[in-house]
This record gives sequence, C-alpha cells and structure tokens, in this order.
Amino acid sequence: QVQLVESGGGVVQPGRSLRLSCAASGFTFSSYGMHWVRQAPGKGLEWVAVISYDGSNKNYADSVKGRFTISRDSSKNTLYLQMNSLRVEDTALYYCAKRGDGSGRSFDNWGQGTLVTVSS
Amino acid sequence: QSALTQPASVSGSPGQSITISCTGTSSDVGGYNFVSWYQQHPGKAPKLMIYDVNNRPSGVSNRFSGSKSGNTASLTISGLQAEDEADYYCNSYTSSNTWVFGGGTKLTVL
Repeated sequence: QVQLVESGGGVVQPGRSLRLSCAASGFTFSSYGMHWVRQAPGKGLEWVAVISYDGSNKNYADSVKGRFTISRDSSKNTLYLQMNSLRVEDTALYYCAKRGDGSGRSFDNWGQGTLVTVSS
Repeated sequence: QSALTQPASVSGSPGQSITISCTGTSSDVGGYNFVSWYQQHPGKAPKLMIYDVNNRPSGVSNRFSGSKSGNTASLTISGLQAEDEADYYCNSYTSSNTWVFGGGTKLTVL
C-alpha cells in the first residue's frame, strides 16, 4: 500500500535553511503529482506547494513563494522541500501528500508529518 | 489566497445527520468541481473523505456525502457515530493553480 515518510524536520533559527524529504513507496511515484501541506500547532491545514509528476511544473502558496522550493527525484522515489529564510511563522508539522484520483485535485494519501520549529 | 469559510464547530447526537458548509468564491469553490473534504483525528494525519465535490474514495463509508451550490460546498454525515468526532477540512483548487483549505470544523458527537 501507499506509504509516505517525511523526515528532515527539527529546530532552526530564523533566517536559516532546512530541507525536508518524503520517501514514497507502494505506488509509481513518477506518475503522480505531489504536494506539501503544513499545520501550525493547534491550527488548521495550509497548502504549501505542488510539483507535477515529471517535475516540470511547480507552484507555491504566496506565504512561501520565493523562499521555498519543491523538487523530486524519481530515481529515489523522494520528494523534497527546500526551505530558506525561515520565519517563526513557518513553525508547523509538514505533511507530504499524493495527488488523488479523478481530477487529481485532491490529496488521497498523507504521511505522518515532520515537525519544523523556527525559534531563536 | 484567503481561506475558505467553515463553521468553527458543529455537533449532533448519535444517529442524527449533520452538515458542514464551506464557502469560497467564484475563483475557487464556485469555479471548479474540485472540492475535497478531509477528516483529522487528534494527533493523526488527515484522511480524504470526499473528492471532486461528491465522490467517495474506496473504503469511506457511504454515510459521508458531498454537494455544492454556487460558491458553497457541503459535507453531510448521516447516521452520526462516535468515531466521526474529529476535525473536518474542506479544500478547493483555485484559478491560480493553487489549493486553499477551509479553517476547519470541529465535530462533536454528543
């Protein structure tokens, strides 16, 4: 079955960088678009970024545009999120999610998340 | 990219039906049939319950249904059960090729 395992979270100072990874298995990774979604402690879900199945198209939420970069390595079945110029408000649990069926505009499988804490 | 509007909380008794609304704009909910709904229990990852307005993924109970009228989508849960108590989030694709979530609704089963 589909499995998504995030890693790379931790405590980082404001202005620093961090790279998250999401290891995928149980499906043909190279055939599916992938997303990052985050959830600040005690808050709701916020969509962060999307990458197409082949990596040719990417898009970002305004809150992270210009600071975060989504990428993928299909040879490693791994999704990445490079986060630069981190801010306190980027503190959240970061989930990777797989594109769903039908129109493909939903998220049908989620990892368990990796926690990023931005604090001085 | 303003969040979609959901009620903060709803409640119902076992066996009853409840409906959670999700209001957006013509640039998201009203412009596309790409609304999805997610259930999240405390400390757990979200789970897809409805996609493309009114489609249920395999394995999701038929007690869950979705609909849309204009800029407002709705999730209805019939035959409420204790295990349905959770947070529910709507989501929509947008005209900017981005996605936007609602603020979330806490469902309490009395």
